Amino acid sequence: EPEVTQTPSHQVTQMGQEVILRCVPISNHLYFYWYRQILGQKVEFLVSFYNNEISEKSEIFDDQFSVERPDGSNFTLKIRSTKLEDSAMYFCASKGTSVDNEQFFGPGTRLTVL
Amino acid sequence: DQQVKQNSPSLSVQEGRISILNCDYTNSMFDYFLWYKKYPAEGPTFLISISSIKDKNEDGRFTVFLNKSAKHLSLHIVPSQPGDSAVYFCAASARNAGNMLTFGGGTRLMVKP
Repeated sequence: EPEVTQTPSHQVTQMGQEVILRCVPISNHLYFYWYRQILGQKVEFLVSFYNNEISEKSEIFDDQFSVERPDGSNFTLKIRSTKLEDSAMYFCASKGTSVDNEQFFGPGTRLTVL
Repeated sequence: DQQVKQNSPSLSVQEGRISILNCDYTNSMFDYFLWYKKYPAEGPTFLISISSIKDKNEDGRFTVFLNKSAKHLSLHIVPSQPGDSAVYFCAASARNAGNMLTFGGGTRLMVKP
């Protein structure tokens, strides 16, 4: 069964460093998303991406964040200068078409900022 | 942001009995609702969904009920099995908001053998 994959599973970084989280969405999907879950809190929407551009973003998704689909298969989230409060689980999700509503999630990347 | 709320952080039921997980929402623009199941160290797994034009959707042991006037939905699992033990998230989306999902805080279900 097709699935969303994410790498790495755990990333540890120093405050102020740049990190890139990688996702491979389900191959025929067109819509891509990043969410995060800080420990003990809700899963929160960060950004949605369609047709090579951002379609929606939350107030969390400030100038420190960027997304890219560099090669038609990977979907990446870059955090330019990490802060302690960026420590969270980051989930990538994808969905097939505009008619579909179900989003399928990857296993997540645990980001720890020291 | 309390647009989607799950008021019960945990629920314990006996194997074979019914589990009922509840979810309330405040945003009347939501037009699609989903339930996800999550195990530790894994991503949310899609379970079942319902459009706002329906009041019930069933898939095997899982049934979701939607009460639009009360802005309330529930997930029924019957019969409950020990493998159902996980955290269940209710999520809502609005087509005019790019289908981003707004999640509730989750309910931890424990099914005892």
